[in-house]
Amino acid sequence: AQSVTQLDSQVPVFEEAPVELRCNYSSSVSVYLFWYVQYPNQGLQLLLKYLSGSTLVKGINGFEAEFNKSQTSFHLRKPSVHISDTAEYFCAVRRVGYQKVTFGTGTKLQVIP
Amino acid sequence: NAGVTQTPKFQVLKTGQSMTLQCAQDMNHEYMSWYRQDPGMGLRLIHYSVGAGITDQGEVPNGYNVSRSTTEDFPLRLLSAAPSQTSVYFCASSTSTGGVIGGYTFGSGTRLTVV
Repeated sequence: AQSVTQLDSQVPVFEEAPVELRCNYSSSVSVYLFWYVQYPNQGLQLLLKYLSGSTLVKGINGFEAEFNKSQTSFHLRKPSVHISDTAEYFCAVRRVGYQKVTFGTGTKLQVIP
Repeated sequence: NAGVTQTPKFQVLKTGQSMTLQCAQDMNHEYMSWYRQDPGMGLRLIHYSVGAGITDQGEVPNGYNVSRSTTEDFPLRLLSAAPSQTSVYFCASSTSTGGVIGGYTFGSGTRLTVV
């Protein structure tokens, strides 16, 4: 079975500052990794995904994430946040060869003007 | 527009009532799933389906039933509603057709309150 840990439930950051949202996963086999964003009262949207290859993955809205196999991490970063980035972000993991996806508990990013 | 459609968007039930949450997708995705979202708990998988006629349980299946008679539709049935089932429910679909690993496409959610 796989699991995902998002240690930070809330992250406040000033506008135009950089941000990193942390995600660690646990799995005994190879995995695919995902980040989703949820704006208030909406469903989740895919930000980016890591399947294989380059460990640095670029997504929409200027976000990127780096897969680190040795540390079993997949942290999400953005060099300069905007007010519109205020949302909840979910890390998710899926074992290769399986369809089930396990989500973390989410991190609420609050961008302060 | 292609995507996942959930109905209703809001519902209030009395304890003991039953109802069906509808989910339909028009992307020919083979995989569909139901999650519930509760504060501080992220999304928890209720049931999923890898194709028409095939369903399986997720983490929190008790009190819910599903069926998948067509590729497009994946309804979630609450058999006898309980206050603990007050939550926001999301339906999601994905595909691995052609070896492409897609992320989920989510519906907009159903906010259910059981009183």
